[in-house]
Amino acid sequence: GESVGLHLPTLSVQEGDNSIINCAYSNSASDYFIWYKQESGKGPQFIIDIRSNMDKRQGQRVTVLLNKTVKHLSLQIAATQPGDSAVYFCAEDLSSNTGKLIFGQGTTLQVKP
Amino acid sequence: DTAVSQTPKYLVTQMGNDKSIKCEQNLGHDTMYWYKQDSKKFLKIMFSYNNKELIINETVPNRFSPKSPDKAHLNLHINSLELGDSAVYFCASSQEGRGIQQPQHFGDGTRLSIL
Repeated sequence: GESVGLHLPTLSVQEGDNSIINCAYSNSASDYFIWYKQESGKGPQFIIDIRSNMDKRQGQRVTVLLNKTVKHLSLQIAATQPGDSAVYFCAEDLSSNTGKLIFGQGTTLQVKP
Repeated sequence: DTAVSQTPKYLVTQMGNDKSIKCEQNLGHDTMYWYKQDSKKFLKIMFSYNNKELIINETVPNRFSPKSPDKAHLNLHINSLELGDSAVYFCASSQEGRGIQQPQHFGDGTRLSIL
């Protein structure tokens, strides 16, 4: 069935280290992918997106990698900071006409000082 | 100048009551959404509207009825509330067009608790 999943429910990293959050998606027809960050008591906040015609996209301290062959998505955060502590979700867009997003389960990132 | 705003932020009510959640966006987007997030943080889309027209209607009990008076507002009315309706409900908006997807922007949620 349709699903987007994450390999690890919780990731704990030392401040200053790089973080890598992984996501596996199941629908090979999905052509748009987004990473969101959700802090406690807040709504999901857009981080970065990538379309299926790309395999890498960089933002400020973040990089998203897309491997369509194995249907895998990852979010890399450079020099992780305490403010990066949150739940991270990947989402896939199943249809360019409806904007229907399917979210993964979420990975909790804990940054140790 | 909040982009997507929802009211109320917290809603505590008795089982069987009817309640509404309001959402407004000032981003000029033409598509709005409602999502439900359960206690395990799983986010699932419920509805979407594009220019006041219903686009997505997932398998949601018909006790839930979205209403879009204009493209900047999408309200959610829930009849005969049940214990299982307890969750956080998020409104979102995006600018869709020409088949090119754009990221959805979320409000801060309405935490609904049914007693």
